Amino acid sequence: GQQVMQIPQYQHVQEGEDFTTYCNSSTTLSNIQWYKQRPGGHPVFLIQLVKSGEVKKQKRLTFQFGEAKKNSSLHITATQTTDVGTYFCAASASGSRLTFGEGTQLTVNP
Amino acid sequence: SAVISQKPSRDICQRGTSLTIQCQVDSQVTMMFWYRQQPGQSLTLIATANQGSEATYESGFVIDKFPISRPNLTFSTLTVSNMSPEDSSIYLCSVEEGLETDTQYFGPGTRLTVL
Repeated sequence: GQQVMQIPQYQHVQEGEDFTTYCNSSTTLSNIQWYKQRPGGHPVFLIQLVKSGEVKKQKRLTFQFGEAKKNSSLHITATQTTDVGTYFCAASASGSRLTFGEGTQLTVNP
Repeated sequence: SAVISQKPSRDICQRGTSLTIQCQVDSQVTMMFWYRQQPGQSLTLIATANQGSEATYESGFVIDKFPISRPNLTFSTLTVSNMSPEDSSIYLCSVEEGLETDTQYFGPGTRLTVL
């Protein structure tokens, strides 16, 4: 199956700093999705990107899909303590099942 | 989105025993999925459960170890058989919503510890 690489594995920031996690694939993707998992919780769907070069925003979160549809990023502006958790990308290519990245664990120091 | 419940929420089991995890959805869904998430790790798909047909297992997972039932469009069970400590993990069921997307909505998970 396809591999989805996600970096960094961990990120520690001070409250108010920005945060970015990156997701990369060697194959062209049909779509990419982002999920957030709070400590002790289950993954919750955030957004799906489908189009080449697509950019979507949810308040302080900006999601981007690369022009070649092989990479994506999630950027959080001015992090808050409520942003703590693990952010997963998940991607599928034509004919394949959804594959989750390894996740980026974000901690925010108040 | 669908509301998904799982039972039990957690359990501690002895080596060699089996545990059946239940997943209930508040609406009819075509496809249900079972994932495993080991501590601090990503989500790994175990199998896809379709109503009226055999479950489809991913590489590395077999029916004898993880038998699955899907008796109707709102319910599924996953059994973890002949457990060993390596089976300690969180088991999550999920559903897809919408015909045009593979977006996953997850249940709260079952935290399994095998001694």
